[in-house]
Amino acid sequence: EPEVTQTPSHQVTQMGQEVILRCVPISNHLYFYWYRQILGQKVEFLVSFYNNEISEKSEIFDDQFSVERPDGSNFTLKIRSTKLEDSAMYFCASSTEGNTEAFFGQGTRLTVV
Amino acid sequence: QKEVEQNSGPLSVPEGAIASLNCTYSDRGSQSFFWYRQYSGKSPELIMFIYSNGDKEDGRFTAQLNKASQYVSLLIRDSQPSDSATYLCAVSMDYGQNFVFGPGTRLSVLP
Repeated sequence: EPEVTQTPSHQVTQMGQEVILRCVPISNHLYFYWYRQILGQKVEFLVSFYNNEISEKSEIFDDQFSVERPDGSNFTLKIRSTKLEDSAMYFCASSTEGNTEAFFGQGTRLTVV
Repeated sequence: QKEVEQNSGPLSVPEGAIASLNCTYSDRGSQSFFWYRQYSGKSPELIMFIYSNGDKEDGRFTAQLNKASQYVSLLIRDSQPSDSATYLCAVSMDYGQNFVFGPGTRLSVLP
């Protein structure tokens, strides 16, 4: 069964460092998303991406964040200068159309120290 | 501010019983409604989605939507201990829009 894959599963980084989280969405999906979940809190929307551009972003997705689809398969989230409060589980998701069901990857646990 | 509300639980039901999970949302323009299950430390897993008023059944799961009351629910029949997880309600507005998640309800099915 097709699935969304994310790498790495766990990343530890020092405050102020840049991190890139990688995702391979399901191959025939057109919409891509990043969500995050701080431990014990709800899943929060960061950004959606369609047709090689951001279609929507939340207040969380400030200038420190960027997304890219560098090739036909990968979808990345970059955090330029990590802060302690960026520590969370980051989920990538994809869907065939914008408001149909989205399938989530297994997540990347980011720990900023 | 779009809000999705759920009782945090825990909701405890005995094995074999019906579990009823509820969700309300603030934005009347919401069009798509989803239920995800999340085991501790894992990613959300889609259970069901519903777009139209009424009931939608899939195996042991039934989703119910009432747009007039801005209310969506999930019924789990014949609950099993493996159903013990946090159930997330997610709501989407228009085509290409993001999902707004509720805080989730923790369900505990007691053997």
